[in-house]
Amino acid sequence: DIQMTQSPSSLSASVGDRVTITCRASQSISSYLNWYQQKPGKAPKLLIYAASSLQSGVPSRFSGSGSGTDFTLTISSLQPEDFATYFCQQSYTTPRITFGQGTRLEIK
Amino acid sequence: EVQLVESGGGLVKPGGSLRLSCAASGFTFSSYTMNWVRQAPEKGLEWVSSISSSSSYMYYADSVKGRFTISRDNAKSSLYLQMNSLRAEDTAVYFCARDVMTTVITGYFDPWGQGTLVTVSS
Repeated sequence: DIQMTQSPSSLSASVGDRVTITCRASQSISSYLNWYQQKPGKAPKLLIYAASSLQSGVPSRFSGSGSGTDFTLTISSLQPEDFATYFCQQSYTTPRITFGQGTRLEIK
Repeated sequence: EVQLVESGGGLVKPGGSLRLSCAASGFTFSSYTMNWVRQAPEKGLEWVSSISSSSSYMYYADSVKGRFTISRDNAKSSLYLQMNSLRAEDTAVYFCARDVMTTVITGYFDPWGQGTLVTVSS
């Protein structure tokens, strides 16, 4: 299985900050990398697919980049509703996908 | 509105069985690959199983293979997960989720249901 490792595991930031979360794959996955946001007690929500494509309806302050093994999710200016847990997910081995362990983004 | 609603979770003893359901609405259910993903308490996400639009292909994680069976009824716009020989480590919230596209299996999902909690304990 391809292992996905996110860093940091948790992060404290303030409204208006620029935040970057990193995801590393244990082997090359080309651009088959997706990002989800999950709020407590809710289902995950797709933010970014194919490493850098913004899912419909997602604010443009979210962006993704990377290819191969190293990827980043950037939130350009944090809003109060962005405090949540973020997961990366590889779809290179679809349908046997795997997720990162998550990054909890908390209010400073 | 595109919607997925899971049901069927609950408390079951180790070795027991449970059948989860996912009712879909707001889209042409029969055109999409459907999936089950679970999340153990305070843990990450784990893919469990997928089924193609016409039930031609079914896939399982190694952790559930031989114990869980995925199925669907396109006439009822419903997805199912039959879980047998349940173990404590199967305790999780189980989400159903739709693949994003109809023509290919992308492996990324939108939308997801709200989840149903399965607790395996004596």
